[in-house]
Amino acid sequence: DAGVTQSPTHLIKTRGQQVTLRCSPKSGHDTVSWYQQALGQGPQFIFQYYEEEERQRGNFPDRFSGHQYPNYSSELNVNALLLGDSALYLCASSGTGAPDTQYFGPGTRLTVL
Amino acid sequence: DAKTTQPNSMESNEEEPVHLPCNHSTISGTDYIHWYRQLPSQGPEYVIHGLTSNVNNRMASLAIAEDRKSSTLILHRATLRDAAVYYCILSGYNFNKFYFGSGTKLNVKP
Repeated sequence: DAGVTQSPTHLIKTRGQQVTLRCSPKSGHDTVSWYQQALGQGPQFIFQYYEEEERQRGNFPDRFSGHQYPNYSSELNVNALLLGDSALYLCASSGTGAPDTQYFGPGTRLTVL
Repeated sequence: DAKTTQPNSMESNEEEPVHLPCNHSTISGTDYIHWYRQLPSQGPEYVIHGLTSNVNNRMASLAIAEDRKSSTLILHRATLRDAAVYYCILSGYNFNKFYFGSGTKLNVKP
């Protein structure tokens, strides 16, 4: 049983560009959450998708958007990249049973130059 | 967001027990207590969770105070592979985001 997978592993972009990160949830999970982790800090919640809709959102600008597909996989899009967007982006999946234990992928390391 | 407070760092000797504390004085009645750990350049790994009663699994034990305002993650015999940042997180019953604090960096000495 594959766990949460993310692609790509690493990515280098320049300021102003746009990026798309992808996530496949753990088998049987239907909820996907995205987190941003800057170096030396704990992960920060970006948003959560369930039934192809954004269910909750953290304190991130509209430059951060997402999508969830019918097979529960998800994308994180970031427009107009800033140097400060350089971080590890983590995807976590969970099921509908309580409690909301989340399983994390290995992350995508984004570097903005 | 319900917040947690953890020491920035702790140190332990290999094969000795480790007690990692967490304060969560604003916990609500339906909040679960989760513990995750994160190795460098990896995603957080689930360790254990609980609601009111103490919990045990193959990785660790979770001791929850009677008033639920604090909890302790117990690693019974620390190994070098247990060196990581440990996060104590509160979450609601379902579909609630996780709020990560700074965590406790555990160093295990051989």
